[in-house]
Amino acid sequence: AQKITQTQPGMFVQEKEAVTLDCTYDTSDQSYGLFWYKQPSSGEMIFLIYQGSYDEQNATEGRYSLNFQKARKSANLVISASQLGDSAMYFCPGNKLTFGGGTRVLVKP
Amino acid sequence: DVKVTQSSRYLVKRTGEKVFLECVQDMDHENMFWYRQDPGLGLRLIYFSYDVKMKEKGDIPEGYSVSREKKERFSLILESASTNQTSMYLCASRQQREKLFFGSGTQLSVL
Repeated sequence: AQKITQTQPGMFVQEKEAVTLDCTYDTSDQSYGLFWYKQPSSGEMIFLIYQGSYDEQNATEGRYSLNFQKARKSANLVISASQLGDSAMYFCPGNKLTFGGGTRVLVKP
Repeated sequence: DVKVTQSSRYLVKRTGEKVFLECVQDMDHENMFWYRQDPGLGLRLIYFSYDVKMKEKGDIPEGYSVSREKKERFSLILESASTNQTSMYLCASRQQREKLFFGSGTQLSVL
């Protein structure tokens, strides 16, 4: 199974600052995709962003961007200009759909 | 609007009972998944299905079985519920290699 590692169980970030969430993966596939999901306290899982292994550019969706380093097998999520509503759990499953333990982000006003 | 519907938001069962968790999607997706979510452990894949009547074990299939008789419906079965199966259960579906769509989850308590 593809293994996903999120090394930060939890972190605080000041409102309006940027935050980087780490995600590393272990795969022998040549072609694969990586996803990021947000889970607020309501429990719903919200898709944020996708990166394909052969995409030439790092993925960007609004305030979310991916710092994809294929050789290092990492796909870190950067949230710019944090908002209080960004407080949530964040997960980065690979295309084998294995989830790591997640990172809890708390945005401080 | 796309939808994955789980039949119950909260469920309380007794040890030894047979439990059915139902999931229905209206997007004609081929792939469907069952996860359980526990604090500190993230989401763990129990079973998945690539097509009707097909099923594959995930990372933690012990104590569970599944059924997919129709494309839109994927059922998770606990043959004899135990207290260590108290958890949040999440169903998801997707088209091949695309993003997952999740249901709102079923919080199961086994007493």
